[in-house]
Amino acid sequence: GAVVSQHPSWVICKSGTSVKIECRSLDFQATTMFWYRQFPKQSLMLMATSNEGSKATYEQGVEKDKFLINHASLTLSTLTVTSAHPEDSSFYICSAPNREEGQDTQYFGPGTRLTVL
Amino acid sequence: QKEVEQNSGPLSVPEGAIASLNCTYSDRGSQSFFWYRQYSGKSPELIMFIYSNGDKEDGRFTAQLNKASQYVSLLIRDSQPSDSATYLCAVDTDKLIFGTGTRLQVFP
Repeated sequence: GAVVSQHPSWVICKSGTSVKIECRSLDFQATTMFWYRQFPKQSLMLMATSNEGSKATYEQGVEKDKFLINHASLTLSTLTVTSAHPEDSSFYICSAPNREEGQDTQYFGPGTRLTVL
Repeated sequence: QKEVEQNSGPLSVPEGAIASLNCTYSDRGSQSFFWYRQYSGKSPELIMFIYSNGDKEDGRFTAQLNKASQYVSLLIRDSQPSDSATYLCAVDTDKLIFGTGTRLQVFP
């Protein structure tokens, strides 16, 4: 299967600071990537769709000015959590679709655990 | 009504048994269906995808799809303790919608 990487795997920051998370497709190109957030014992919640060369599409209730997304190339998307607060502490996971058997199959990165103090 | 529904479990099965995981979805127009496994503290990893009605087998895993009943299932044969995880059903409409997952426990 396809490989998606994320960096960093975990980060601890102070309240009010910004944190950037990178998502890379290693062996394929992705014009779209997806960012999810998962709180403990809950399912994945889609935050936004990252589009190469255009603006990201945010899900209802997700603040676009707080969660900045930049799809810099066909293999890289970044999520910046601005002015992070403790309630932003979560597991952030990206995914990218790879075309298999004529359909898009989503592959997930290993996730980034964010803890805001 | 939730778009993708799964029984949260836990589903407990003895080692060597068949584990049966079920999922229903509401969007009749859905075309692609996925099963992911998620270990605690890790991100989901793809087990199988299925697009056509019927069964699809891959090793110990069999996915079953019935579009008329809007039902997709995953069978795990010869269950092992290492299969203990949360299994997420995902349905692709215009975006991937996840169920809340079923926690599977395989005991020795």
